[in-house]
Amino acid sequence: NAGVTQTPKFQVLKTGQSMTLQCAQDMNHEYMSWYRQDPGMGLRLIHYSVGAGITDQGEVPNGYNVSRSTTEDFPLRLLSAAPSQTSVYFCASKRRDGAYNSPLHFGNGTRLTVT
Amino acid sequence: DAKTTQPNSMESNEEEPVHLPCNHSTISGTDYIHWYRQLPSQGPEYVIHGLTSNVNNRMASLAIAEDRKSSTLILHRATLRDAAVYYCILKGVSNFGNEKLTFGTGTRLTIIP
Repeated sequence: NAGVTQTPKFQVLKTGQSMTLQCAQDMNHEYMSWYRQDPGMGLRLIHYSVGAGITDQGEVPNGYNVSRSTTEDFPLRLLSAAPSQTSVYFCASKRRDGAYNSPLHFGNGTRLTVT
Repeated sequence: DAKTTQPNSMESNEEEPVHLPCNHSTISGTDYIHWYRQLPSQGPEYVIHGLTSNVNNRMASLAIAEDRKSSTLILHRATLRDAAVYYCILKGVSNFGNEKLTFGTGTRLTIIP
């Protein structure tokens, strides 16, 4: 299994540009989520989804949009990039087994720089 | 969410056991204790979790204090590949729609060859 795949690995944007960070998982996980990680800080939840067609906000959703049209994919869109969005972005997924203890599976991240 | 406290950094010699402590004095009765680790330039990976009893898996052991206010992740024989940031996280009962894991800054483990 490939697990959780994120593309691209690196991206440089100018302020005001838009882009989509891709996330795909092949484990048939219902739950998917996006985190950002800034230097010296822990991971912060941006958006999450519990299934196709269902999304919700995490703790830092401003400036980001998501959609979930399939179980496999959960893209994160930056409509107008700002320097404050310079960060490493991680996508994670987990199965919906009725237990809150099934582990989160993370991708290897996208390192985004906004100049 | 209840908070955890971990040392910022630790060092250990290769092939020796490592004990990574975590304090969680405000833990509630239904909070599970989860451990994840993050290798350099990778996403976090699940290590182990437990509620009250000690737990073992192929990666590590988790020792939980009787009052549950602290726990210790034990790597039985550290290798260079175990150098990572280790996160201790409390995961309470929640509905499926809110699987938020609150990651602190963790403990940076350095393995000395």
